[in-house]
Order: sequence, then C-alpha cells, then structure tokens
Amino acid sequence: GQQVMQIPQYQHVQEGEDFTTYCNSSTTLSNIQWYKQRPGGHPVFLIQLVKSGEVKKQKRLTFQFGEAKKNSSLHITATQTTDVGTYFCAGLQDDSWGKLQFGAGTQVVVTP
Amino acid sequence: NAGVTQTPKFQVLKTGQSMTLQCAQDMNHNSMYWYRQDPGMGLRLIYYSASEGTTDKGEVPNGYNVSRLNKREFSLRLESAAPSQTSVYFCASILDMQFSPLHFGNGTRLTVT
Repeated sequence: GQQVMQIPQYQHVQEGEDFTTYCNSSTTLSNIQWYKQRPGGHPVFLIQLVKSGEVKKQKRLTFQFGEAKKNSSLHITATQTTDVGTYFCAGLQDDSWGKLQFGAGTQVVVTP
Repeated sequence: NAGVTQTPKFQVLKTGQSMTLQCAQDMNHNSMYWYRQDPGMGLRLIYYSASEGTTDKGEVPNGYNVSRLNKREFSLRLESAAPSQTSVYFCASILDMQFSPLHFGNGTRLTVT
C-alpha cells in the first residue's frame, strides 16, 4: 500500500538558521498537504500542492512538490521560536479517494 | 463558529470498559474522520465517513466502531478498551474529499490501564 515517509524525525535548529524537512511517497500522489501541530495542540492546515513541480511560499516557508509527484519538501528560512512544533505531510493517492496518508512528522525544536 | 468539537478532552478507562468519543462539526462539511496519534507514528486513520449514512474502515479499524449520526456528528466507540488503545484521538472534517484541507478538533487524550 501507499507509504509516506518523512525525514528527519527530529530537527534541532538554532534560531535564525534554515532547515528543510522532506516527504517521500512510494506511489504517485494526486496532491500533498502540509500541517503544523504545536505542542499539546491539534494539526492545523498550512498548504496544499497539486501540480507537478509546484512551489508555494508563505512568508518564510517554501513548499515544493516534486516533478514526479512522489516527494515534497518544506523549507523554513530564518527559523523563529514560533516555528516550534511538528510538521506533517499528508499525501492523497489517486485511487485512495478520501484517505490522506500522513507521514510520521518532523518535530522541530528551536534554541534561542 | 466552533468548527470541530470533540468530547471529552481527557478520559481514563480500565481494560474492558467501553466508551464513546463524540465529535460534531458546524461547517456543513460532508466528510468526517477519526484518527489516532501515537508518538513517532503520525496520524493513522481509524474510520471515515464520506457522507451522511456511509462509513468506511481506515488503516487501523480493529477494536473500534463508528456511527455517522447525522451530517454534523460522527462518534467513535470502543467496545472493550485495551491498553494498546491508549492514544490521542482526533476527529476531523472536510468539505470536499479530494482537494480540501482537514479541520481537526482539539483531541481526546485516552489512557487505558
């Protein structure tokens, strides 16, 4: 079945540095979504990518969808303490309508 | 506008006890989902309901039952709780299954002793 792998599992970042988290699927995805979960909170939708090679930006966050629609990345520049949390990718396979497959998440810790 | 409301927020059960987790959304969404979240494993789908009157199994349905009571409400029942069901449970809803984001409730933290 479809598997979505996310790396790294943990990311310790110095405030002001950049980092990237990666999401890889074993199968082609129709779309991919990214969510952020603050400690003790619930996942909150960040963005959705649908087109091959798509790039979207939200302030310091840059999201990419691979050409083959099997991988995605989230790049954060100039990390701030407000970026603390766990970032999840979730992929939807064409024939798994309605079943988003979540990655295990990247837990981000920011040190001042 | 409350969004997705889950009750209770916390629950402790003894092995073998039963309980129902309640979920309601006021966004007129068609589809609703139940996920469990365990450390290092992300969110795993238990059951979902594509529309009122339909339910389908997700990745980890064993030990659970669901009821889509109406368009607003989707409940999750544990008939005989086991320690392996200790987890954080999230209900979520979505307007269109393919291209809309999930809206999550605040979660229920369940401990089974």
